[in-house]
Amino acid sequence: DSGVTQTPKHLITATGQRVTLRCSPRSGDLSVYWYQQSLDQGLQFLIQYYNGEERAKGNILERFSAQQFPDLHSELNLSSLELGDSALYFCASSALAGGASYEQYFGPGTRLTVT
Amino acid sequence: DAKTTQPTSMDCAEGRAANLPCNHSTISGNEYVYWYRQIHSQGPQYIIHGLKNNETNEMASLIITEDRKSSTLILPHATLRDTAVYYCIVRPGGATNKLIFGTGTLLAVQP
Repeated sequence: DSGVTQTPKHLITATGQRVTLRCSPRSGDLSVYWYQQSLDQGLQFLIQYYNGEERAKGNILERFSAQQFPDLHSELNLSSLELGDSALYFCASSALAGGASYEQYFGPGTRLTVT
Repeated sequence: DAKTTQPTSMDCAEGRAANLPCNHSTISGNEYVYWYRQIHSQGPQYIIHGLKNNETNEMASLIITEDRKSSTLILPHATLRDTAVYYCIVRPGGATNKLIFGTGTLLAVQP
């Protein structure tokens, strides 16, 4: 158990809909990361937040957005869903935003299926 | 970020050492080598990381060549539970810890 929790575990929804994925980082970790893993794209970095502020952005679509709240939990919002958004979405956390040697701890993921 | 090259797959007998290679010939001086693994759709798990020196922890050893252009992850006594995709990632020690995953090596530990 990494200490990172994600809800829900599974989500099935229809095209065009909007969903929210939730992540609680390990106790004491200030930085949260979101990754997407699909069959054809592998594991891709989406976005990072540190203490409520966006720190880095990856290949995140404009239909997707995220935020980190004062209690440090984070939410990833996916809207106008398409079939290709079906994937595993992982959240990870680390103590700090950057620096030399801070490993990330990953949650169990949310499996999103868009029908 | 420097690109890494790993074999697509490897086999290892249970109880034997598993040696997973990684090439990172374009690595620069401030970039660290990280290893993570992913067991069947679970969240990736941190294994070990290093800059220049060889490193060892309770899970594995990391051997980095003197020119830092390649490294080897060693699992000393592989078990069936070590069957996973192993990712070698090169990451600079900068403002963000984001990880750029490649395709990794699927290690199959055989009984």
